[in-house]
Amino acid sequence: GAGVSQTPSNKVTEKGKYVELRCDPISGHTALYWYRQSLGQGPEFLIYFQGTGAADDSGLPNDRFFAVRPEGSVSTLKIQRTERGDSAVYLCASSLSGANTGELFFGEGSRLTVL
Amino acid sequence: SQQGEEDPQALSIQEGENATMNCSYKTSINNLQWYRQNSGRGLVHLILIRSNEREKHSGRLRVTLDTSKKSSSLLITASRAADTASYFCASPGGDYKLSFGAGTTVTVRA
Repeated sequence: GAGVSQTPSNKVTEKGKYVELRCDPISGHTALYWYRQSLGQGPEFLIYFQGTGAADDSGLPNDRFFAVRPEGSVSTLKIQRTERGDSAVYLCASSLSGANTGELFFGEGSRLTVL
Repeated sequence: SQQGEEDPQALSIQEGENATMNCSYKTSINNLQWYRQNSGRGLVHLILIRSNEREKHSGRLRVTLDTSKKSSSLLITASRAADTASYFCASPGGDYKLSFGAGTTVTVRA
């Protein structure tokens, strides 16, 4: 596709459930980022992939959060035992080589609501 | 932790006026970027200024960078209703990850 695609655009789930959020980056972009954005705040870094490997997962809040990118393209953010505090917009972005040299291209986000 | 902080938090202007917002950051950078976010949408890249540049223009946007003060400003000239959005500055908080501030919400009144 032409841009970064994220699915689902909206997800409502109950506390304790498992959730998967998918990101399809721009073709050829080796760098992929996940951010979380709460209402009225800026995006908060979660994890960065360079190719298939997680180069930095220091932003993941706890071990309930996990992300994979098995073939170096599509990535999935997985949240186990969801809590109400996980409610936010989860943004995915991709880049040719990383933010140190160029811009990030963002998807529209996946809005997660945990009831 | 957030690398950049924008000021003011919110700005309301009349169509046709200029809007200026500022950003301060904490550590040395090699570039600083500005993004726009319309309500309920993803972020869109506006402009990137490198550490060896002092000013950069893109259409109605003008960005300045003062590395000695660790600050940047974004000026939108002749604002339009479509400029209503949140604006974020962002800088690489390491070799590769971009750290964002809390943003400035701009409202342009018709």
